[in-house]
Amino acid sequence: NAGVTQTPKFQVLKTGQSMTLQCAQDMNHEYMSWYRQDPGMGLRLIHYSVGAGITDQGEVPNGYNVSRSTTEDFPLRLLSAAPSQTSVYFCASSLNQDNEQFFGPGTRLTVL
Amino acid sequence: SQKIEQNSEALNIQEGKTATLTCNYTNYSPAYLQWYRQDPGRGPVFLLLIRENEKEKRKERLKVTFDTTLKQSLFHITASQPADSATYLCALDMGNTDKLIFGTGTRLQVFP
Repeated sequence: NAGVTQTPKFQVLKTGQSMTLQCAQDMNHEYMSWYRQDPGMGLRLIHYSVGAGITDQGEVPNGYNVSRSTTEDFPLRLLSAAPSQTSVYFCASSLNQDNEQFFGPGTRLTVL
Repeated sequence: SQKIEQNSEALNIQEGKTATLTCNYTNYSPAYLQWYRQDPGRGPVFLLLIRENEKEKRKERLKVTFDTTLKQSLFHITASQPADSATYLCALDMGNTDKLIFGTGTRLQVFP
């Protein structure tokens, strides 16, 4: 099993550009989530999904969209990048919310 | 809303001693609480989960306690080693939701 994979590892965007961060898991997990991690702020939940076709907002959803068309994939879309979205983004998956979360390696995003 | 408090100051201890990290929450008692380890540049890795009806959980040199009266979980590493140096995060559910939120983490440094 590859576990949770994220692409790209690094990305630099200009303000106003859009992009999609990819996340995939091969463990047949129902629960997937996106977090951003900033110095001194810890991990903050952006969006999450409890299964294919179901998504919901986390603590900091503004400026981000998600969809869950398959069990395996959970992409995160930045609609119009802003410098405040400069961060490290982690995707995670688990059987359900109250089980061990498996995290991907992260995507380091810089918005200029 | 639920808030999680972890000591933001680094904990420095000598090899062989027991490290104790604290996780406090502010409102309702969560159904469970999880502990993760994070190394620089990596995603968090799951360590232990303790449920509200459990007072204590152990795994090798790790021990977690859960006191719903104090609204606190303690995470202990006995016979600590320099390889235990990392940031430790606690996470819990937001209650009646599928959201899992994280504290800001405490950095542990074990010196020889």
